[in-house]
Amino acid sequence: QKEVEQDPGPLSVPEGAIVSLNCTYSNSAFQYFMWYRQYSRKGPELLMYTYSSGNKEDGRFTAQVDKSSKYISLFIRDSQPSDSATYLCAMSEGEGAQKLVFGQGTRLTINP
Amino acid sequence: NAGVTQTPKFRVLKTGQSMTLLCAQDMNHEYMYWYRQDPGMGLRLIHYSVGEGTTAKGEVPDGYNVSRLKKQNFLLGLESAAPSQTSVYFCASSYSGATRESDFGPGTRLTVT
Repeated sequence: QKEVEQDPGPLSVPEGAIVSLNCTYSNSAFQYFMWYRQYSRKGPELLMYTYSSGNKEDGRFTAQVDKSSKYISLFIRDSQPSDSATYLCAMSEGEGAQKLVFGQGTRLTINP
Repeated sequence: NAGVTQTPKFRVLKTGQSMTLLCAQDMNHEYMYWYRQDPGMGLRLIHYSVGEGTTAKGEVPDGYNVSRLKKQNFLLGLESAAPSQTSVYFCASSYSGATRESDFGPGTRLTVT
């Protein structure tokens, strides 16, 4: 069993829809939870970062962490075609990137 | 600032050949990392460095070597390439080692035939 599971998709939704992306994990020691966005043929870029449980909002993006269920989510409101990308979740026990574990990534397409 | 740059962008190797991938950063970052990204596997850490002259193994180090002779450069070497090393390789760097501060390069697409 992988430490972090993410549905690879692909996921295709119409412009303006609310998108929900999710990851589950098995390591209860994870404390730091990240979402990266990766455009085609580019490197990942950090979208949002959460420490421990709770919600975090940044514009149209909301990250949720439920440590009791070992489940994290990223919501995108009013989705735009420019949001089309692969979204990767990542988690770590500590702050060091050498401990970072990535999900497989979900490919998302927003149709105009 | 150029940020994190990777050379080359693409490469095709035959089995058994060797090559070196270069990662350079101009942000005075202490920490540097090499990842590989394969379909269905996400990113996996190959090797990393916490400062000039230091290197350490990550999750999948076999078949790779690294060197950090200068703070701004992190080299990834394949001594005898194998088809299993066909992948997209990403370099990243960060100032403090905190995961949220990592900047990624654009990637190198390597095919081993």
